[in-house]
Amino acid sequence: AQKVTQAQTEISVVEKEDVTLDCVYETRDTTYYLFWYKQPPSGELVFLIRRNSFDEQNEISGRYSWNFQKSTSSFNFTITASQVVDSAVYFCALSRISGAGSYQLTFGKGTKLSVIP
Amino acid sequence: NAGVTQTPKFQVLKTGQSMTLQCAQDMNHEYMSWYRQDPGMGLRLIHYSVGAGITDQGEVPNGYNVSRSTTEDFPLRLLSAAPSQTSVYFCASSYSRQGASTEAFFGQGTRLTVV
Repeated sequence: AQKVTQAQTEISVVEKEDVTLDCVYETRDTTYYLFWYKQPPSGELVFLIRRNSFDEQNEISGRYSWNFQKSTSSFNFTITASQVVDSAVYFCALSRISGAGSYQLTFGKGTKLSVIP
Repeated sequence: NAGVTQTPKFQVLKTGQSMTLQCAQDMNHEYMSWYRQDPGMGLRLIHYSVGAGITDQGEVPNGYNVSRSTTEDFPLRLLSAAPSQTSVYFCASSYSRQGASTEAFFGQGTRLTVV
């Protein structure tokens, strides 16, 4: 069985602070995908990143960066110089690489980030 | 591009009523799924389909039926609504690339209240 744990239920930061959202996962698969989605107050789900378990390189996209550590089963998400528009619920998710499970996402419970101006 | 379209956006039902949540995608994706989102629970998979005519149960299928007669449409039916089905429902689609699924593309969601 797969499981994703986002231990931080809610986080508040002041604008321009850096913030890291934690994600820890459990899976018996040796290969898998990890995802982050953003859900702003308007409610839609916005895809942010997909990471293949083969690739442990960290990734940076503008103010966003992701730290994948297979040894600790973690896939943490850092927002640098946070902005009010970053206020949202962020979900970490896991799926298999291929076969029947590759399109079935297991989500964490989400972390609500509030950026205070 | 329309992407994944869900209708209605909001719905209030009385206990025992039935209804169908519609989901359509115009990206020719093979895979479609339904998730429900409850406060503090994240998203949980209800049913999924790997192609027209093929459906299967997810984590929380009880009380819901699905069918997939075309690639584009994947409706979710509530046969006899219960207050426990009050939730936000998301439809998603994805496709296979090199044997693996791409990221899921989500609809805007349907907020359902059962009274």
